[in-house]
Amino acid sequence: QVQLVESGGGVVQPGTSLRLSCAASGFTFRSHGMHWVRQAPGKGLEWVAVIWYDGSDAYYADSVKGRFTISRDNSKNTLYLQMNSLRAEDTAMYYCARDRSWPASWFDYWGQGTLVTVSS
Amino acid sequence: QSALTQPPSASGSPGQSVTISCTGTSSDVGGYNYVSWYQHHPGKAPKLMIYEVTKRPSGVPDRFSGSKSGNTASLTVSGLQAEDEADYYCSSYAGSNSVVFGGGTKLTVL
Repeated sequence: QVQLVESGGGVVQPGTSLRLSCAASGFTFRSHGMHWVRQAPGKGLEWVAVIWYDGSDAYYADSVKGRFTISRDNSKNTLYLQMNSLRAEDTAMYYCARDRSWPASWFDYWGQGTLVTVSS
Repeated sequence: QSALTQPPSASGSPGQSVTISCTGTSSDVGGYNYVSWYQHHPGKAPKLMIYEVTKRPSGVPDRFSGSKSGNTASLTVSGLQAEDEADYYCSSYAGSNSVVFGGGTKLTVL
């Protein structure tokens, strides 16, 4: 069955960096675009970034553009999110999600999330 | 990339129907038939309930239905059941390779 398992979250100080991973299994990873979506405490979901199935292109929310980089290693069935210059407002649960159809942008499988806390 | 507008809460008794709205603009909800709805129980992975405005994934009960009129999309849950109690989020393609979510609606089954 399809599984997405995020890891790499933790408590970090403002201005520092963190890399999240999302290990995929149960499907042909290299055939699907992938997304990161986050949820700040007490807030709604916020789309963060998308990467094409082959890694050839990526797009970001304005709130993270220039600071976050989404990437993937199709040989390892793994999605990444490199987060630099972290701010308190980046504190959130981060989910990876599989794209089923772009630009229809519906996410048919999600992971359970990994928590990132940015605090001094 | 402003969030879509959803009511913070909605409620209904078992067996009743409830409709949750999701209002955007002509640049997102109104501009594309690419609205999705997700059910989210805290601590769990969000679950896709509706995609492309009206389509239901395999395994989602037909008690869940979606529609759209202009810049507002709606999710209707008929025959409410206790397990439907959750947070519900809409999302829409917003052009320029971006996606926007709604603020979420907490559905309470009375």
